[in-house]
Amino acid sequence: DQQVKQNSPSLSVQEGRISILNCDYTNSMFDYFLWYKKYPAEGPTFLISISSIKDKNEDGRFTVFLNKSAKHLSLHIVPSQPGDSAVYFCAARRYDMRFGAGTRLTVKP
Amino acid sequence: NAGVTQTPKFRVLKTGQSMTLLCAQDMNHEYMYWYRQDPGMGLRLIHYSVGEGTTAKGEVPDGYNVSRLKKQNFLLGLESAAPSQTSVYFCASSYSGSWNTEAFFGQGTRLTVV
Repeated sequence: DQQVKQNSPSLSVQEGRISILNCDYTNSMFDYFLWYKKYPAEGPTFLISISSIKDKNEDGRFTVFLNKSAKHLSLHIVPSQPGDSAVYFCAARRYDMRFGAGTRLTVKP
Repeated sequence: NAGVTQTPKFRVLKTGQSMTLLCAQDMNHEYMYWYRQDPGMGLRLIHYSVGEGTTAKGEVPDGYNVSRLKKQNFLLGLESAAPSQTSVYFCASSYSGSWNTEAFFGQGTRLTVV
C-alpha cells in the first residue's frame, strides 16, 4: 500500500511566482518528513525536512508546512526560479523511509 | 569526500542471470536502504538495514536479497533476474532512522533485464 502520496504528477509555474507541492500520508507513526529534489541521471538530494512536533520549517526560499490532523504536508517555493525545475519527492520516515511518486516542477522564465 | 558510491552504474542482464549491486558509504552511517525507481511509481523501498548484520524487508522485497556484513557496505542481490526488475536502483544511508536525519543517496544503477 502506498503510504505516501503525491497526487499531482506535474506542476508548471512562472518564474517569480509561488510553487506549492503537496503530499499526503496514511501512517500516523511517521515522525519525520522530508523533501528531496531530483535531476535526471542523478540521485535525489535532500532539500528540507520537518519533525512531526512542528508545523512549519523555513530554509531560504523553501518552506514546509505540516498538518498532522489532515496527514498532509506541502512545500512552498517562493520565488520560484528556472533552476528549481526538477522532480520533487516527498518522504516520510519512522525506521524505514517511504517516498511518494514525485511531482515534476517546471518553472518557466 | 565520496559519500555514497554505487557499483556498477549500468548493467544489462539476460533473464535468469544473477548479479550483485554494491553500495558503499564512508560516513559511518548506521542505516542503509535500497530503492528502485520506476516511471510513475516514485522510489519504492526494497530492503533496508539498521546496522551491521541486520536487514529488513521494505515495500517490494520479492526477487531480491541483501547483506550487510560490514557497516560501510550494503549489497543487493538478484538471484534470477526478470524483465520486471528493469529499473534504476538507488542506495541511501543515514545516521539513524527515527530522528532529525536525512538520507544521502548514491548516483543510481541503471539495470536492464532482457
